[in-house]
Amino acid sequence: TAGITQAPTSQILAAGRSMTLRCTQDMRHNAMYWYRQDLGLGLRLIHYSNTAGTTGKGEVPDGYSVSRANTDDFPLTLASAVPSQTSVYFCASAPQGTSVPDTQYFGPGTRLTVL
Amino acid sequence: GQNIDQPTEMTATEGAIVQINCTYQTSGFNGLFWYQQHAGEAPTFLSYNVLDGLEEKGRFSSFLSRSKGYSYLLLKELQMKDSASYLCAVISADYQLIWGAGTKLIIKP
Repeated sequence: TAGITQAPTSQILAAGRSMTLRCTQDMRHNAMYWYRQDLGLGLRLIHYSNTAGTTGKGEVPDGYSVSRANTDDFPLTLASAVPSQTSVYFCASAPQGTSVPDTQYFGPGTRLTVL
Repeated sequence: GQNIDQPTEMTATEGAIVQINCTYQTSGFNGLFWYQQHAGEAPTFLSYNVLDGLEEKGRFSSFLSRSKGYSYLLLKELQMKDSASYLCAVISADYQLIWGAGTKLIIKP
């Protein structure tokens, strides 16, 4: 079982360029999440989706956008990358996601460097 | 504000026992998770506590005191493969997951 996959594994991006990080899950989970993880800081939520067709902003949404056209896919787009967006990005999913304590399952991450 | 505190780094010896503490101040509480994260890898689920007391799962145990806003993860019979970061996360009143910065555990032979 693949679980959650992310692509690319790593990327070096020039500042000002756009990029989409891909995330796909095959567990039919309702909820999906995008986090960034920086040294010395906890995982910070960028955007989330409780079910297909809906999205919401997390703690650090500026400079990022998401869409949830179907249950399986949750792409994260950086419209115009800046060096402060250099980070490791994790996608996660959870079976239900709303109004219940729910274990989140993480993808392998994308390491993004913006120069 | 919402805050979760964990020690940044701990060192322990192979075969020994280590306790990793987590204190939290959040708007409401709906449970607490512990995750393990090896370097360069994704976090993986270890335990979930919502009631006070100790939950034991093999070599790992997790304790919760809601009145004190406190949890710990206890690792027994440490193995070299336990070298990793351990992340504490609290589910707040609106079911958002608030993450601590993690504790890096170094195991020495």
